[in-house]
Amino acid sequence: DARVTQTPRHKVTEMGQEVTMRCQPILGHNTVFWYRQTMMQGLELLAYFRNRAPLDDSGMPKDRFSAEMPDATLATLKIQPSEPRDSAVYFCASGLVRGARTPGQGHQPQHFGDGTRLSIL
Amino acid sequence: AQSVAQPEDQVNVAEGNPLTVKCTYSVSGNPYLFWYVQYPNRGLQFLLKYITGDNLVKGSYGFEAEFNKSQTSFHLKKPSALVSDSALYFCAVETGAAGNKLTFGGGTRVLVKP
Repeated sequence: DARVTQTPRHKVTEMGQEVTMRCQPILGHNTVFWYRQTMMQGLELLAYFRNRAPLDDSGMPKDRFSAEMPDATLATLKIQPSEPRDSAVYFCASGLVRGARTPGQGHQPQHFGDGTRLSIL
Repeated sequence: AQSVAQPEDQVNVAEGNPLTVKCTYSVSGNPYLFWYVQYPNRGLQFLLKYITGDNLVKGSYGFEAEFNKSQTSFHLKKPSALVSDSALYFCAVETGAAGNKLTFGGGTRVLVKP
């Protein structure tokens, strides 16, 4: 069964350090999403990509966060410098959006990884 | 703006009893609605979706959802709850012109007691 893979699963580091989270989307999926989950804010969309191009990163603090897709099999989310308020669980999800010429094939679900639990001390 | 609301933070139900998790939506245009479940220390898992057609949608693990256009609701249901159904449930609506982007509700925690 195809799965989205996220590494590391857990990360504890000190304030000010750079943090890099990685995601391997399901092979063949053309859309990748980054979410952050906290008790206070719930599930927030940070950024997402279609065919490796950023479509929307309006949910991401631009001064310290960056998201990239170096190739179709890898998405990265970086925080530099990290702060205690960045402590959360970060999820990656992937999905497939088919073209308008394929009727009935749209609106496919997103598939989530198991997240990176980040603690900034 | 497209949005969904889950009015209950938590739902408690006895094992074997019917389970309902409520969701209402606000969209312009056709609503494309989803339910996901999250177990502890795991990512969200897709349960079911409503795109068009029959108002009663069947999904994974015995769950179903009823789309009601007049009440703008998409409640998740299960006729007989199991202890293993205890989890966090999210309703979502597809948003964004490019498709596939989801806006999630705040989540409802379900606790099924033996």
